[in-house]
Amino acid sequence: TQLLEQSPQFLSIQEGENLTVYCNSSSVFSSLQWYRQEPGEGPVLLVTVVTGGEVKKLKRLTFQFGDARKDSSLHITAAQPGDTGLYLCAGPDSGGYNKLIFGAGTRLAVHP
Amino acid sequence: NAGVMQNPRHLVRRRGQEARLRCSPMKGHSHVYWYRQLPEEGLKFMVYLQKENIIDESGMPKERFSAEFPKEGPSILRIQQVVRGDSAAYFCASSPAGLFNEQFFGPGTRLTVL
Repeated sequence: TQLLEQSPQFLSIQEGENLTVYCNSSSVFSSLQWYRQEPGEGPVLLVTVVTGGEVKKLKRLTFQFGDARKDSSLHITAAQPGDTGLYLCAGPDSGGYNKLIFGAGTRLAVHP
Repeated sequence: NAGVMQNPRHLVRRRGQEARLRCSPMKGHSHVYWYRQLPEEGLKFMVYLQKENIIDESGMPKERFSAEFPKEGPSILRIQQVVRGDSAAYFCASSPAGLFNEQFFGPGTRLTVL
């Protein structure tokens, strides 16, 4: 069974700080997706990483896919209160290329 | 360009009643997925449908739950004889053909069973 483990589970920081959250697995994934979910809303797709070692940047967010395609990280530079939310990583189930397996998420709170 | 639409956003049912959740995919998307998010847990896959076909229902409980995606109209997730354990947020996602891993989610339906 493929699992995605995210760490830390909770993160509370001050505005302007940098942070990194992690998504790890013992299984290889063909791709990984990062979503952000705000209370009462659905997950919003931030990025998809496909190639081992790939780095993608989205403004102050930097996403990296591990060389072995078993892990990924999300780094936020100079966090802002608007970055507050639940960050989820997800990847396709190798047993069926249509369903996503989700990690439990990292809940980030950025205080002014 | 409208996103995935779900209704109702909130649904309250008493034990034993039926719940019907609706999902309209993004324009041009032919694949629909349903996920369930229990309190303090991650999203779990339930079912994957294309027009008039259930492709994968491996994550859906075998009893009381059913899903459809008719030729015309929205996808429906139906829960019969609801129990308190069915209380959760139910999310629908859609993707274009050939890009199953880029799934775009709706705002969800929050079901509360009294």
